[in-house]
Amino acid sequence: NAGVTQTPKFQVLKTGQSMTLQCAQDMNHEYMSWYRQDPGMGLRLIHYSVGAGITDQGEVPNGYNVSRSTTEDFPLRLLSAAPSQTSVYFCASSYGNAETQYFGPGTRLLVL
Amino acid sequence: GENVEQHPSTLSVQEGDSAVIKCTYSDSASNYFPWYKQELGKRPQLIIDIRSNVGEKKDQRIAVTLNKTAKHFSLHITETQPEDSAVYFCAAKGGLTGGGNKLTFGTGTQLKVEL
Repeated sequence: NAGVTQTPKFQVLKTGQSMTLQCAQDMNHEYMSWYRQDPGMGLRLIHYSVGAGITDQGEVPNGYNVSRSTTEDFPLRLLSAAPSQTSVYFCASSYGNAETQYFGPGTRLLVL
Repeated sequence: GENVEQHPSTLSVQEGDSAVIKCTYSDSASNYFPWYKQELGKRPQLIIDIRSNVGEKKDQRIAVTLNKTAKHFSLHITETQPEDSAVYFCAAKGGLTGGGNKLTFGTGTQLKVEL
């Protein structure tokens, strides 16, 4: 039981490049979410999903896209990276709602 | 939407002393309040949570209290140990009108337990 996994662990992008951050969970959780963590700003919700085929925006969705084609996977796409997207990104999952969320190990992203 | 404020941003205590971290929230319909601990370079991990129908919850050396009228909740750590040193985040889950499927986090408290 791997829990919540994220790849890559670290990534460097140039401004304007695109990439996908991967997130997977093997706990059969319906709820999955993406947060970004910046110094002094806590964890801010980017997008979330309450089940396969259903996604919604969080607090800071601009510049990010998500999809949820399976229960296990919830990828986060950056269409055109900007330096303001330099951050640590955490994926999390829970059973039926936003409670008792289990976090992945995080992806550190640097946009030059 | 929900707004969560957390204080203090840093807290230094002597080993064995108690530590208290306080949070306020804005959405009176919020009904779930977790606390997460994040050690340096690690992922946040849930350490305790409380629901709006409960005033206090304890788990060994940690406890959380909730005052719904004042819309604030607190984390209490007794007999602090060096391994308690970490960043602690409070959060609130909004009511149906404020986002019943969203957690809003506070900005974190860096707790340092000194020997």
